[in-house]
Amino acid sequence: GNSVTQMEGPVTLSEEAFLTINCTYTATGYPSLFWYVQYPGEGLQLLLKATKADDKGSNKGFEATYRKETTSFHLEKGSVQVSDSAVYFCALLQSGAGSYQLTFGKGTKLSVIP
Amino acid sequence: DTAVSQTPKYLVTQMGNDKSIKCEQNLGHDTMYWYKQDSKKFLKIMFSYNNKELIINETVPNRFSPKSPDKAHLNLHINSLELGDSAVYFCASSPRGGTGELFFGEGSRLTVL
Repeated sequence: GNSVTQMEGPVTLSEEAFLTINCTYTATGYPSLFWYVQYPGEGLQLLLKATKADDKGSNKGFEATYRKETTSFHLEKGSVQVSDSAVYFCALLQSGAGSYQLTFGKGTKLSVIP
Repeated sequence: DTAVSQTPKYLVTQMGNDKSIKCEQNLGHDTMYWYKQDSKKFLKIMFSYNNKELIINETVPNRFSPKSPDKAHLNLHINSLELGDSAVYFCASSPRGGTGELFFGEGSRLTVL
């Protein structure tokens, strides 16, 4: 079956540090890949997505590139801010007719300190 | 206007009780979902409805019963609550089932004592 593996958290960084959160996946075919972010006390929000190999998703300074050869979709940001403190979820959607089910990773908590 | 709204936001109740959580979306989406998030933040899908029709019904005890009176509403009723039901329940919607782009509500934190 489909699965998503994220690096274990929590991750604590100083403001302006470089961020990488690793995500690898297992799926048949060509899934779409997503990063969602959950700020404290809120629901998840879509951060970025990529629908095919070598696509790069980007938003709010975050980027992730769909690497089929390594089955990865690592999240990066060049300079984190305190306001980026949140839980980040990698997810995949298996392609195909009637595909409604996102498979989420276990989430990685990021804390950014001033 | 809140796009996906859930009520109540907090719910504290005793074991054995029955409770409901309501969800409404004003985005005009066709597909709605219920997810359960445990204390370790692990997110698991419970149900999905597309135009009021049940699409996904994961391995969830049949004490949990979703109900979709129309495509803008998806309610969750839970019978005979157990301690292990304590979690945050998220409602979500998407414009079409196959996009993966979900809009989540703020969650309903259920605590069973």
